[in-house]
Amino acid sequence: GAGVSQSPRYKVAKRGQDVALRCDPISGHVSLFWYQQALGQGPEFLTYFQNEAQLDKSGLPSDRFFAERPEGSVSTLKIQRTQQEDSAVYLCASSLTSGPYSGANVLTFGAGSRLTVL
Amino acid sequence: GIQVEQSPPDLILQEGANSTLRCNFSDSVNNLQWFHQNPWGQLINLFYIPSGTKQNGRLSATTVATERYSLLYISSSQTTDSGVYFCAVGEAGGYNKLIFGAGTRLAVHP
Repeated sequence: GAGVSQSPRYKVAKRGQDVALRCDPISGHVSLFWYQQALGQGPEFLTYFQNEAQLDKSGLPSDRFFAERPEGSVSTLKIQRTQQEDSAVYLCASSLTSGPYSGANVLTFGAGSRLTVL
Repeated sequence: GIQVEQSPPDLILQEGANSTLRCNFSDSVNNLQWFHQNPWGQLINLFYIPSGTKQNGRLSATTVATERYSLLYISSSQTTDSGVYFCAVGEAGGYNKLIFGAGTRLAVHP
């Protein structure tokens, strides 16, 4: 597609429910990132995929968070047993390559999925 | 890990004014990008600028990598420039994982 598409745009979950957030990156983009943005703060890195390989998951806050990108395109971020502190906007971004010193590193962000846990 | 500090945290301008936003980072970088987050939350890339100077219309950016800072200049500001400006950096030797600063919140009034 022309841009990075995320769904759902808004999700309200009761504490303890599982949620799944979808990201459809720009076609052909090798790199895919998930970020978490709390209200009034900058985005914080969660995890990184190069094609289907999850190369960095150091930012995932707990083992309740799981991400996958099985065919190297669409990615899903799953949060199990949601807690109130999981309330945030979850941003997905993609870029053409992963090499340094390249304009192809420019990240394109989706509009985000706003999760509210009650 | 690398630290990113942005200043000022908040900025209020009258339409037509110029401004300079600063980003300091604590270690060598191979990637630096400036983003604008509009009031609806969409992050838009403004510049990819790990070093040097670039201009795009009323916006320009300069990164002095050896001194570990970058500047974003906004000239003749417009109300549509309002939002949050983020600086994000990638550590040298790594892939293009970006670490974001806390942002500068800009409000431009008519």
